[in-house]
Amino acid sequence: SYELTQPPSVSVSPGQTASIPCSGVQLGDKFIYWYQQRPGHSPVLVIYQDNKRPSGIPERFSGSNSENIATLTISGTQAVDEADYFCQAWDGSTYVFGPGTKLTVL
Amino acid sequence: QVQLQESGPGLVKPSQTLSLTCTVSGDSITSKNYWWTWVRQPAGKGLEWIGRIYASGTTNYNPSLRSRVAISLDTSKNQFSLEVTSVTAADTAVYYCAAWEVALADWGRGTLVTVSS
Repeated sequence: SYELTQPPSVSVSPGQTASIPCSGVQLGDKFIYWYQQRPGHSPVLVIYQDNKRPSGIPERFSGSNSENIATLTISGTQAVDEADYFCQAWDGSTYVFGPGTKLTVL
Repeated sequence: QVQLQESGPGLVKPSQTLSLTCTVSGDSITSKNYWWTWVRQPAGKGLEWIGRIYASGTTNYNPSLRSRVAISLDTSKNQFSLEVTSVTAADTAVYYCAAWEVALADWGRGTLVTVSS
């Protein structure tokens, strides 16, 4: 079965750029999706189809996907961005989620 | 955009069947726009995709759960449902229903199901 890998945690200072990687075999051949989840809340879609932002998601969120790595980038990170971030792909028959990365803003 | 609300028992005994319903508002369950989806999350852990159903009744399931899971539509009530048979403590989780149009953009609030005697 297809697997996605994410680092357990990433730290960033307020105002700086946070990069959260997601890796998988030939990931660049698939669309990648990113979800933000704050404690006690449902996931929220922040990036779809590699680099598209849904309505209402701030411009500081962006995404890229190439070869074996996709990256969620948050520019000018704010305290409100502290959350878990999950990448997700479709492998042709199933949705696959990465294990999640806890973003700490300190 | 659609709104989704999960409902069902919060406590299920081991070996019994977990049954949840997701009520959809904002569009018809028979809309060709969406795959209606179930995702679960054990406490402190990541998201696990359970399965999905289309307006035609076509389903896809997580291979690790396929033998115990069924998702169905109730068009008269604009709902879709999840059944998980032979549950164990490992099935204890928050269960979310969600709608996939171009992504899982719409989620319910989730409902906690605990498997315990």
